[in-house]
Amino acid sequence: DAGVIQSPRHEVTEMGQEVTLRCKPISGHNSLFWYRQTMMRGLELLIYFNNNVPIDDSGMPEDRFSAKMPNASFSTLKIQPSEPRDSAVYFCASSFGTSGVNEQFFGPGTRLTVL
Amino acid sequence: QQQVKQSPQSLIVQKGGISIINCAYENTAFDYFPWYQQFPGKGPALLIAIRPDVSEKKEGRFTISFNKSAKQFSLHIMDSQPGDSATYFCAARGDKIIFGKGTRLHILP
Repeated sequence: DAGVIQSPRHEVTEMGQEVTLRCKPISGHNSLFWYRQTMMRGLELLIYFNNNVPIDDSGMPEDRFSAKMPNASFSTLKIQPSEPRDSAVYFCASSFGTSGVNEQFFGPGTRLTVL
Repeated sequence: QQQVKQSPQSLIVQKGGISIINCAYENTAFDYFPWYQQFPGKGPALLIAIRPDVSEKKEGRFTISFNKSAKQFSLHIMDSQPGDSATYFCAARGDKIIFGKGTRLHILP
């Protein structure tokens, strides 16, 4: 298996632009997580899906952030409009089972820079 | 109650020494405590984990010590090597996994 796939690996954009991050989870996994990592705040859970349904989005910072999972093999995290404080590394992770309680396998991350 | 507090933020250890990272939690409903290791430019990966009915778990040079009454657990890396230089996250599992803020470990050659 190729593991969790994220794209793009790096994204540089200007303030106010829309940014879309993409994730393909490991085949057979039914839970998917989006995390944001910064030096100041560490690893923060933004949202997680189980069987393509959003279960907990309490970590989504504000309405500028949205996430979708249209099918079991694809998810997107969108920021519109982007701001410099959104600059971070965004990770997608997947696992098998409910409630996100099993080992999570992380993708390589997308480094986002908002100028 | 959902927090996992991790210390230190950063740690420098001589090659061959013992690296110790500590974590504390409040929620007694947590039932599984994994440690994740992250190398620069990579995502975190599961390193070792323990359940609260066990006081210690060892895998090679990595040992988790667990103190249920104190609600604390720690990662010990014996004979630390430069290849162990990474960021380490402790975590706790309740209805979801909560991560500590991470410890950046640097092993001096």
